[in-house]
Amino acid sequence: DTAVSQTPKYLVTQMGNDKSIKCEQNLGHDTMYWYKQDSKKFLKIMFSYNNKELIINETVPNRFSPKSPDKAHLNLHINSLELGDSAVYFCASSQIRDRGRNTIYFGEGSWLTVV
Amino acid sequence: AQSVTQPDIHITVSEGASLELRCNYSYGATPYLFWYVQSPGQGLQLLLKYFSGDTLVQGIKGFEAEFKRSQSSFNLRKPSVHWSDAAEYFCAVGPNTGNQFYFGTGTSLTVIP
Repeated sequence: DTAVSQTPKYLVTQMGNDKSIKCEQNLGHDTMYWYKQDSKKFLKIMFSYNNKELIINETVPNRFSPKSPDKAHLNLHINSLELGDSAVYFCASSQIRDRGRNTIYFGEGSWLTVV
Repeated sequence: AQSVTQPDIHITVSEGASLELRCNYSYGATPYLFWYVQSPGQGLQLLLKYFSGDTLVQGIKGFEAEFKRSQSSFNLRKPSVHWSDAAEYFCAVGPNTGNQFYFGTGTSLTVIP
């Protein structure tokens, strides 16, 4: 069973469209993340939710909106897509413990191409 | 501020040769350290992690890493590289509290026959 699964894996869309990427984890974790990986492979944190509460909200355009209906799901909606949004988007999850020792697990990624 | 530095952007080794990928961290408390591998077109897979105890950590696929507090380093090693090891490798430091992980910029490994 895939621990962190995200769909779709590949997405090609035109500028101006609105698209969503869905993520689900079956690890029982309480924290989920969205990362963006650019063409240089640099990983940038975008958002993090802990028990459905937004914890990390980095500087990203307002066109990006995360939604967490429950602890096991974190979706990413992108409005008015731009060419610069082309990237790989990774969902991840971890179980946050007060004493640390947290491990983060990643999904397979969603390759978004805006044309 | 917490940070992770991977000094080598790209490394090329011959198949069968040994490998060492460097990672340096800056963290105020006891660090929790990780190495991940990303094969082409794939997600990030956990290779190994260090939380405490023995400073030499064994991971999957024959990899190991050594935590050296005095050097603030957590270098990844493999005695004999296989062509399938060609990938992007990321070092990361995890939180003592909170949920923010810090990733290095990655090292791209090419393996030549």
